[in-house]
Amino acid sequence: GEDVEQSLFLSVREGDSSVINCTYTDSSSTYLYWYKQEPGAGLQLLTYIFSNMDMKQDQRLTVLLNKKDKHLSLRIADTQTGDSAIYFCAESKGGGSYIPTFGRGTSLIVHP
Amino acid sequence: KAGVTQTPRYLIKTRGQQVTLSCSPISGHRSVSWYQQTPGQGLQFLFEYFSETQRNKGNFPGRFSGRQFSNSRSEMNVSTLELGDSALYLCASSLDAQNEQFFGPGTRLTVL
Repeated sequence: GEDVEQSLFLSVREGDSSVINCTYTDSSSTYLYWYKQEPGAGLQLLTYIFSNMDMKQDQRLTVLLNKKDKHLSLRIADTQTGDSAIYFCAESKGGGSYIPTFGRGTSLIVHP
Repeated sequence: KAGVTQTPRYLIKTRGQQVTLSCSPISGHRSVSWYQQTPGQGLQFLFEYFSETQRNKGNFPGRFSGRQFSNSRSEMNVSTLELGDSALYLCASSLDAQNEQFFGPGTRLTVL
């Protein structure tokens, strides 16, 4: 299996919450990231969490980490059409192995 | 502060040719990483340069090479192009690799 796995698509109604899930295999992962990619653009770091944290909240974004199950989620509250994009989960080990490993990305479609 | 710029944005080549892509990092950033993004393989790490030295390398054949100049600008070269090299090539810069990476918009390479 892949090192970082995500579902490929998620469709939500505007105003609802979106939850994008990710699982990873490496228990030594130190940093876990969420990136956003809009059409024709590069990746933008949305938020990250250290492996010794369970949760991080930043405005409409909430990241939850279950280290035991190696499960990471990104919740977007009050999802807007401008949130439509591809969301990538990534992990890195820090130290000398800080290059992130990315999931395949989840396409979030927000419809009115 | 200007973001990461990549040139050209779009490129069409034929099999067997070689190509050079350019990346100008954010001013002051010394680390430049390159990624290949394809629908089939997702985002894969190519290599990372810091102060003109390649510090990390992904699992790509020797046809893929890169370099970094004293002003931190970086180029990557792909020789003997294959159809499977068609991809979006993303460059990311950071102060150092363990800091947040800022991505450029990418170069879309099509190999015919």
